[in-house]
Amino acid sequence: EPEVTQTPSHQVTQMGQEVILRCVPISNHLYFYWYRQILGQKVEFLVSFYNNEISEKSEIFDDQFSVERPDGSNFTLKIRSTKLEDSAMYFCASSVGGAIRIKFFGPGTRLTVL
Amino acid sequence: LAKTTQPISMDSYEGQEVNITCSHNNIATNDYITWYQQFPSQGPRFIIQGYKTKVTNEVASLFIPADRKSSTLSLPRVSLSDTAVYYCLVGDRQGDKLIFGTGTRLQVFP
Repeated sequence: EPEVTQTPSHQVTQMGQEVILRCVPISNHLYFYWYRQILGQKVEFLVSFYNNEISEKSEIFDDQFSVERPDGSNFTLKIRSTKLEDSAMYFCASSVGGAIRIKFFGPGTRLTVL
Repeated sequence: LAKTTQPISMDSYEGQEVNITCSHNNIATNDYITWYQQFPSQGPRFIIQGYKTKVTNEVASLFIPADRKSSTLSLPRVSLSDTAVYYCLVGDRQGDKLIFGTGTRLQVFP
């Protein structure tokens, strides 16, 4: 069964450093998403991406965040200058689209900002 | 987006049927009800989606009464591996933005 993959599984960084989280969505999917979950809290929507542009973003997704689909398979989330409060699990998801936009989530990247 | 209310936690034993009810009094005409499951340190996983009456798949059943103000996820004969958090979400099924609540933490005991 096809699945969304994410790398790395765990990323540790110093405050102020840039990080790039990588995702490989399911191959025939057209819609891509990033969500995050701070430890013990709700899963929160960050951004959706379709046709090479952001279609929707939350208030969390400020100028420090950016997304990119650099080639036909990868989808990345960049945080330019990490803060302590960016520590969370980051989940990538993808959807084939159409009438029922079911999201398939990856296993997540645990980001720890020190 | 319609707000949902579901129990914070539930306990069950292996082999029992578990029913988790979700209230969504302000559901809109074009909203669908979707349930996701999340294991610790993993991403949410789609379980089932419905609009009205009953939907069944290989994993669960979803019961939606005529007024659609609530829904019940039914897990037949749970096992230890069904221990997880279950989220009820309501919204346009084409919506890009999923709004997760706190979910129901189901604990299955031997």
